[in-house]
Amino acid sequence: AQSVAQPEDQVNVAEGNPLTVKCTYSVSGNPYLFWYVQYPNRGLQFLLKYITGDNLVKGSYGFEAEFNKSQTSFHLKKPSALVSDSALYFCAVRDFGNEKLTFGTGTRLTIIP
Amino acid sequence: GAGVSQSPRYKVAKRGQDVALRCDPISGHVSLFWYQQALGQGPEFLTYFQNEAQLDKSGLPSDRFFAERPEGSVSTLKIQRTQQEDSAVYLCASSLGKGNTEAFFGQGTRLTVV
Repeated sequence: AQSVAQPEDQVNVAEGNPLTVKCTYSVSGNPYLFWYVQYPNRGLQFLLKYITGDNLVKGSYGFEAEFNKSQTSFHLKKPSALVSDSALYFCAVRDFGNEKLTFGTGTRLTIIP
Repeated sequence: GAGVSQSPRYKVAKRGQDVALRCDPISGHVSLFWYQQALGQGPEFLTYFQNEAQLDKSGLPSDRFFAERPEGSVSTLKIQRTQQEDSAVYLCASSLGKGNTEAFFGQGTRLTVV
């Protein structure tokens, strides 16, 4: 079975400060990991993915994520937050050979001007 | 089109009514997925197609839910005899289906059962 945990329902960050949104996962094999963002009344937008290779992956809008196999984590990061980054963020995992995504419950990120 | 298109965007159904939700995937995408997102929750997997074959329907909550993709492109999710607990946003996604590719999501259909 595959699962994802996002331990924080809400994260508040001052504009210009670095941000981190946490995610931990559980799979039986090698994980494929994804971050998606959801704006109000919009579908999910793909941000970045980890398949294999470098543990630090870079994605859209200046976001990056660090894969840590020993801690089974895939935290989303950005060096300097923008007000426009305020949205709902979802981490998702797929086990190798399994097409379906399992999502976390989401973290609402609010950037304070 | 450039992205995954879903229709209608909003649907209000009376309890007991049947509904049909449509998904147009990105052209050339082999894999198609349906997810259900309840208010304040993450999307939950319903079913998955590879071309016209429905390879996984383990997430369908009851036999009132039925999905098809007869020609390997457009897909329809049908819910029979809707109930209030069916109220949710239904998301469709498609991908190239080459194992390590990401899925692209439509804007969803918000179903409200009254």
